[in-house]
Amino acid sequence: DTEVTQTPKHLVMGMTNKKSLKCEQHMGHRAMYWYKQKAKKPPELMFVYSYEKLSINESVPSRFSPECPNSSLLNLHLHALQPEDSALYLCASSQERGQGYEQYFGPGTRLTVT
Amino acid sequence: AQRVTQPEKLLSVFKGAPVELKCNYSYSGSPELFWYVQYSRQRLQLLLRHISRESIKGFTADLNKGETSFHLKKPFAQEEDSAMYYCALSGEGSNAGNMLTFGGGTRLMVKP
Repeated sequence: DTEVTQTPKHLVMGMTNKKSLKCEQHMGHRAMYWYKQKAKKPPELMFVYSYEKLSINESVPSRFSPECPNSSLLNLHLHALQPEDSALYLCASSQERGQGYEQYFGPGTRLTVT
Repeated sequence: AQRVTQPEKLLSVFKGAPVELKCNYSYSGSPELFWYVQYSRQRLQLLLRHISRESIKGFTADLNKGETSFHLKKPFAQEEDSAMYYCALSGEGSNAGNMLTFGGGTRLMVKP
């Protein structure tokens, strides 16, 4: 299996809801990433996990809470989001975290906050 | 800080014409540069990386450290090359390693 999968594909949630995005890979990769991509903009890094530990948090608001329960799974828990958080959320993985390791991207979850 | 600039948001060429998508970067250390491509309704995928120096789908890119550029070139564009292209930089060091910084992207349209 050489793909990164993400569920759900689409998510609509109200500002008071709690929801979670899920990302999975079975390539044995030890680094996983969350990116946010607004319309017609490039992806922006949110979080980096390496060996199931949070390595980088790019000053993301606490209403986004990442979790890496095991080496294959990465979650993004959402709570009290704002309409401006509506975006495509991309997950990626790479063999290791070092410079130069190719990142494999999932198809994304399109989130709409109403 | 690392920064990637793609000056053209849209590049439109005719089939068979040469293509050059520009990418300039700013980074004080030794970067690794990538080109990612996103075809319509498909996921973002790696096209090529400067360290491998290979040609993928007829595309090549050479890292010019003097000009801090990593332009993507193809001598004869095909309609199936139409996509969004992102130049990306990965910095060195334990904190920056594999933190990809993307340029703004260039949409390439190849007309028949």
